Parts: sequence; C-alpha cells; structure tokens
Amino acid sequence: AQTVTQSQPEMSVQEAETVTLSCTYDTSESDYYLFWYKQPPSRQMILVIRQEAYKQQNATENRFSVNFQKAAKSFSLKISDSQLGDAAMYFCASTRARGGSNYKLTFGKGTLLTVNP
Amino acid sequence: NAGVTQTPKFQVLKTGQSMTLQCAQDMNHNSMYWYRQDPGMGLRLIYYSASEGTTDKGEVPNGYNVSRLNKREFSLRLESAAPSQTSVYFCASSADRGTKTQYFGPGTRLLVL
Repeated sequence: AQTVTQSQPEMSVQEAETVTLSCTYDTSESDYYLFWYKQPPSRQMILVIRQEAYKQQNATENRFSVNFQKAAKSFSLKISDSQLGDAAMYFCASTRARGGSNYKLTFGKGTLLTVNP
Repeated sequence: NAGVTQTPKFQVLKTGQSMTLQCAQDMNHNSMYWYRQDPGMGLRLIYYSASEGTTDKGEVPNGYNVSRLNKREFSLRLESAAPSQTSVYFCASSADRGTKTQYFGPGTRLLVL
C-alpha cells in the first residue's frame, strides 16, 4: 500500500520568487514513480514533473525541479521565478513501477499555491 | 490529437436517476482509470481497466459500474445517483510500459440533488 502526505494545505509566494512544496510518501514497493500534478481553476490535471525512484538524479523541467530524498521518503517541488500562471492546486502522487496490472495513482490532498503580484 | 476526452462537462441529477459518464482516449493506451475528486480528499480511484475487456475495483467502487467498450473507451455508470456521489470525476489513461504517467481528461462535474 502507498500513502502520500502533503502537510501544507496552502502556500503563497511573491511573483519572481522561489517556493518549495513538501511531500512525503510511504510505500512497500521497491521501484516506483513519483509525480507532481498541477490543477488550475480550469480543473484540468496537468503533469508538472515525474521522478523515477531508481534514478538518484533529481528531475527538472524548466523552472520546476524536485528534491528527491529516497531514504527520507521525501519528494518536494521547487518552483523558481514564480509566475502568476503557477497559481493552482498542486498534487503529489505515486505509483508502483512494476508487477500486476493496477498502476493507480495514490494522491496527496493537495497544496493550494497563491502567487502574489 | 485530443488526448483524453470526457462527456458531459457538467450534469445535474436528481436522487435515484441514472447516467453514464463517457471517456475516450486516442493515445493507444491499454490502461484506463476513473477517479473522483472531493474537497480536501485528493483524487480517489473508483475503477480501472488494464486492458480491453477487463475491469477491476478501486478504493471507492460502491454505487458505480464501468464498461471498457473497446481500447479507446471506458464509461462509468451511476445506476441510482445519491447526493454522496456529488463530485468531480476524472478519467485517465496510461501506457503499461515506461513511466506509467497518467494523462487526464478535463473532468465531469456532477451534482446530485
């Protein structure tokens, strides 16, 4: 079984500054994937970034990067040079990487990010 | 390339009515999923389908049925809607191989009175 915990229900950041969203997880799987999804007011779930647990190197996508601490089971998202369009709900999620047929995502409860001009 | 599409976008039902939510994907994915999103709860899996002709229950299947009509389409049916089924419903699909990344439809907002 997997659990994902986001301990910050809400965060705010000034435009152009950097913010870090926290996520911790627990899993019995030896290999798994971790994701951050963004959900703007339109409700569309948009993939921001993914991390493969067997890779030690932290994933980056433009202004978005993660700090993946496998031993601590921590997977935080850093947004640099925050923009107004980054305002959204952010969900951390995990799935196992192999075995069986159900690769369901286990989601945290989300962090609502506000970007102040 | 539309990705994952869902219909309808919004629906109001009375308690006891039935309806089917439709989902289709054009990415040739084997796996498809139905989630519901409630305030403060994140997304929870209702049903999934690993391939055409197979379906299985997720965390919250009670009150729902699904049909994997073909590789592209995966529908969710509420036989007798209840106010507790008021939610936003998301369909997703993923490939079996590689990163297992799920791609989501735009969601269906359902209100049961």
